[in-house]
Amino acid sequence: AQSVTQLGSHVSVSEGALVLLRCNYSSSVPPYLFWYVQYPNQGLQLLLKYTTGATLVKGINGFEAEFKKSETSFHLTKPSAHMSDAAEYFCAVATGGNNRLAFGKGNQVVVIP
Amino acid sequence: EPEVTQTPSHQVTQMGQEVILRCVPISNHLYFYWYRQILGQKVEFLVSFYNNEISEKSEIFDDQFSVERPDGSNFTLKIRSTKLEDSAMYFCASSDGLDEQFFGPGTRLTVL
Repeated sequence: AQSVTQLGSHVSVSEGALVLLRCNYSSSVPPYLFWYVQYPNQGLQLLLKYTTGATLVKGINGFEAEFKKSETSFHLTKPSAHMSDAAEYFCAVATGGNNRLAFGKGNQVVVIP
Repeated sequence: EPEVTQTPSHQVTQMGQEVILRCVPISNHLYFYWYRQILGQKVEFLVSFYNNEISEKSEIFDDQFSVERPDGSNFTLKIRSTKLEDSAMYFCASSDGLDEQFFGPGTRLTVL
């Protein structure tokens, strides 16, 4: 079964510093990979996705992620953190013909002024 | 911009009671999903629905759960006899069948 591992439930980053959130997946078939963000009291919003093609994908709010098949990874980065980036971030892999999503446990990002 | 909506935002119920959580998916979408997130745990898949029938369900989705699309716009999740462990945030999502699922804001269910 497909699965996702996100380490470190809480991540603190200084404003202006690099944001790096790690995601490793397990999949028996070529995966579709996603990063979602959840702001307080809101639903899950898609940041970016990888399906096929270019392995470096760019998303909203300056985030990007790189699919590395050899490392089974899809890490999320942003060069310079902003206070508005404080939120919970979920990595997910699509599984099965109905594209059911398997999520990681999430990273709560805190941005320190 | 079209969005998925869910009602109510918070539902409190007594153990053993039935609850119905409601979702209005994006209008031209054909695939519908329910997920849940128990506090402090992963978001978990419950069920997917297409062409007026369940297309896939997880082991969590037992006989206490049912889904319905009663009127062509709403998509509901019913829990027949709630248990304490059903307390969670329930998310509805919809898709046009490509790759992205669009999520609603969630319903927080509290079972006392």
